Amino acid sequence: QQQVKQSPQSLIVQKGGIPIINCAYENTAFDYFPWYQQFPGKGPALLIAIRPDVSEKKEGRFTISFNKSAKQFSLHIMDSQPGDSATYFCAASKNSGYALNFGKGTSLLVTP
Amino acid sequence: DAGVIQSPRHEVTEMGQEVTLRCKPISGHNSLFWYRQTMMRGLELLIYFNNNVPIDDSGMPEDRFSAKMPNASFSTLKIQPSEPRDSAVYFCASSLGEAETQYFGPGTRLLVL
Repeated sequence: QQQVKQSPQSLIVQKGGIPIINCAYENTAFDYFPWYQQFPGKGPALLIAIRPDVSEKKEGRFTISFNKSAKQFSLHIMDSQPGDSATYFCAASKNSGYALNFGKGTSLLVTP
Repeated sequence: DAGVIQSPRHEVTEMGQEVTLRCKPISGHNSLFWYRQTMMRGLELLIYFNNNVPIDDSGMPEDRFSAKMPNASFSTLKIQPSEPRDSAVYFCASSLGEAETQYFGPGTRLLVL
């Protein structure tokens, strides 16, 4: 049973566009929401993470928006670049539970 | 720091054979996780250890899978006997303390014929 639902499955944007990836969860015990970036042949790497006490977190060109009441969170990539082409995974975990529940991933292609 | 080290990087074996995947976590990290990645199911947690003790193995598919962490710097994931449906990329990750950032290794790509 997928505890975190992610959409879209794939996304193509032009350079400079703002891709948005959405995730939804059901378990209200989740209180840590990271996004991981994975390039082909590599392991996932943490990009940015948020806890439910804030509604938005920005790091460089990457922003997480969090809606606790809707149990949804999203990743926005500002001024996207071809080097951002990768697979992005959202995840969620309980603070005391440690294990990450991943979404199925979004394959992003940023065209020149 | 060398990061999380996994070996082998690629493994091709025949159905019924035993497969052992190895992981060396980042030095000083006390939590270790094994994940499996497939196209159909995405990234799934198999098992995780804290201070070398298995905390949750509910993700281990069946008795054919076993994992050990004999010390803080080494863990193994064993599949015996292997089946074609075990073909996947297996990742090991480690973290410093619970609920901290997990650092993933490069993965082991397993193909069971």
